[in-house]
Amino acid sequence: DGGITQSPKYLFRKEGQNVTLSCEQNLNHDAMYWYRQDPGQGLRLIYYSQIVNDFQKGDIAEGYSVSREKKESFPLTVTSAQKNPTAFYLCASSTPGRGNEQFFGPGTRLTVL
Amino acid sequence: GQQLNQSPQSMFIQEGEDVSMNCTSSSIFNTWLWYKQEPGEGPVLLIALYKAGELTSNGRLTAQFGITRKDSFLNISASIPSDVGIYFCAGPGSGGSNYKLTFGKGTLLTVNP
Repeated sequence: DGGITQSPKYLFRKEGQNVTLSCEQNLNHDAMYWYRQDPGQGLRLIYYSQIVNDFQKGDIAEGYSVSREKKESFPLTVTSAQKNPTAFYLCASSTPGRGNEQFFGPGTRLTVL
Repeated sequence: GQQLNQSPQSMFIQEGEDVSMNCTSSSIFNTWLWYKQEPGEGPVLLIALYKAGELTSNGRLTAQFGITRKDSFLNISASIPSDVGIYFCAGPGSGGSNYKLTFGKGTLLTVNP
């Protein structure tokens, strides 16, 4: 089945540690995205990538880093520079076209203790 | 940047009731997307609208692309408990990007059995 997978579902880290969230898609989509969601809030764009080996900052990129070495994969690293990293992180993918319909993974809930 | 105002912020209804929610934009959109997010999961695309005045149904869900191209409406008929979740509207990002989406802050729907 085609889709987007994110792992792990729940992640706990100590303050000051970097952590990498995984996102893989087998939809053959060119573009991939990372969003952050806080309780009662909408989706805020962290980074996006239109093509392999290229990515752009979104609205809240500070304290995060990404790589896009393969079309299928777009990992997100939450660095120690991110002041408030506890949140629900969502990965999405799309192929450019009519409406840029984005398809989301199940999310990773990161808790920094 | 572009803003989407989604209302109401939350709704508490009885099973069997109909639901209406809407989204307005500060600028003209060429596409409107409606997503549903269940607790702890990623958003799922429900309906995509591409043309002003378009009315599209998906089961008990009906969405309309407003004539002014600055608004969209989502209706749910005969609600059931599994309709619970957050409903997001979305449209193209600012600057005519073919990749980015702007999301509303969502309508939280609670259905009492």
